[in-house]
Order: sequence, then C-alpha cells, then structure tokens
Amino acid sequence: NAGVTQTPKFQVLKTGQSMTLQCAQDMNHNSMYWYRQDPGMGLRLIYYSASEGTTDKGEVPNGYNVSRLNKREFSLRLESAAPSQTSVYFCASSESTEGANVLTFGAGSRLTVL
Amino acid sequence: GQSLEQPSEVTAVEGAIVQINCTYQTSGFYGLSWYQQHDGGAPTFLSYNALDGLEETGRFSSFLSRSDSYGYLLLQELQMKDSASYFCAPTDSWGKLQFGAGTQVVVTP
Repeated sequence: NAGVTQTPKFQVLKTGQSMTLQCAQDMNHNSMYWYRQDPGMGLRLIYYSASEGTTDKGEVPNGYNVSRLNKREFSLRLESAAPSQTSVYFCASSESTEGANVLTFGAGSRLTVL
Repeated sequence: GQSLEQPSEVTAVEGAIVQINCTYQTSGFYGLSWYQQHDGGAPTFLSYNALDGLEETGRFSSFLSRSDSYGYLLLQELQMKDSASYFCAPTDSWGKLQFGAGTQVVVTP
C-alpha cells in the first residue's frame, strides 16, 4: 500500500519555467491537498479538493494552478516559476473533510527555482 | 482573524516529560490535531481532540480546552526517536487545518 505518491522528489527550475507536480493516492480518499513548507513557516495550504470535481484556494494560491484529474490524482502546476516558490511541497489526502480530517502526506517534492 | 502560537523549540533529556502548548484563534473551530515531522520527512498524524479533556495514545497525550482556545501535547518517557517537529493544527468546520510553525523537540542523552 503506497499511500500518497509524489513526483518528482527533487526539481531545479530556472525563473520563468513551468512544471507540474504530480500526486496520486491509493487509499480511495475523497479529499486532496497541496501544501508548501518553508523554514520557520510551517505548512501553508495552497489548494485543496474536497471531493472529485471540486477545487478551492487555500492560504497561498497565487502563482499556482491545480487539477483534480480523477479521484486518485491531484496535480499542482507552476506556470512561471519564481524564486519565491522555492520550497518543499507536500501533497496530502484524507477520507473526508469531516471530523478529525486525518491527513496522510506524501514524502514531499523539493523544488528550487534559480 | 486566525492566529496560532506554540513554542519554537523545547530541549529535554531522555526519559523526561515534555509539554508543548498551543493557543489558537480559529473561526469555526471544530477540533485540534497534532502532527509529528522528522527532519526531511513527511508530517504524520498523532492525535485529535474534538472535546475538552485528555486523549491518551501510548506515551503521547493531547489535551484540549475549547473555552480557553488552548491545547497541549504531552510526550512522556522521551526517547531519542522523539526528536522531531510537532505541529498543532486547529481544524475548522469546513475541515481545513491551520498549521503553525511547529515546535522542534530536541532530546539529549
């Protein structure tokens, strides 16, 4: 049981380049999330998808787009990368947004924008 | 508005007890979760409190006081493997979690 799988694990981009971070979960979870983590800042929510077919902005959505491709997959796209987007990105999923809403995180994708 | 406070770092020796306090201000507060993250790793769920009181899970316990907008995580019989960052995360009624900057726990021999 793989849980939440993110690709790539590491990526270096130049300013202005675009890329897509992929995330897939095999737990039949309804909700999926993208967070970024910067030193001393904790985890900040970028976008989330409460259920297949829906997406909503989180705390820091500017510069990002998402696609909930199907129940399993939730991708994050940077259209024109900026150095301020250098961060560790975590995808997470949960069975539902009700109750404890326990998140299962992927291993993270470390992105550097030069 | 939303706010969340927890200490940035706590140091303790093996076998000791550590308490990590968390105060929050969350619109539509529903419950308080705690997550652990080792260096270079992913956050993992530890515990959740929806009601006032203490929840115990092995060596870890979590407490919530809704009237005081306060909670804490208690780590007992500290082990070296407990060295990690611990995040309190209030959940709102829409299921969204707010993560703080975390508390780094350093366990020394």
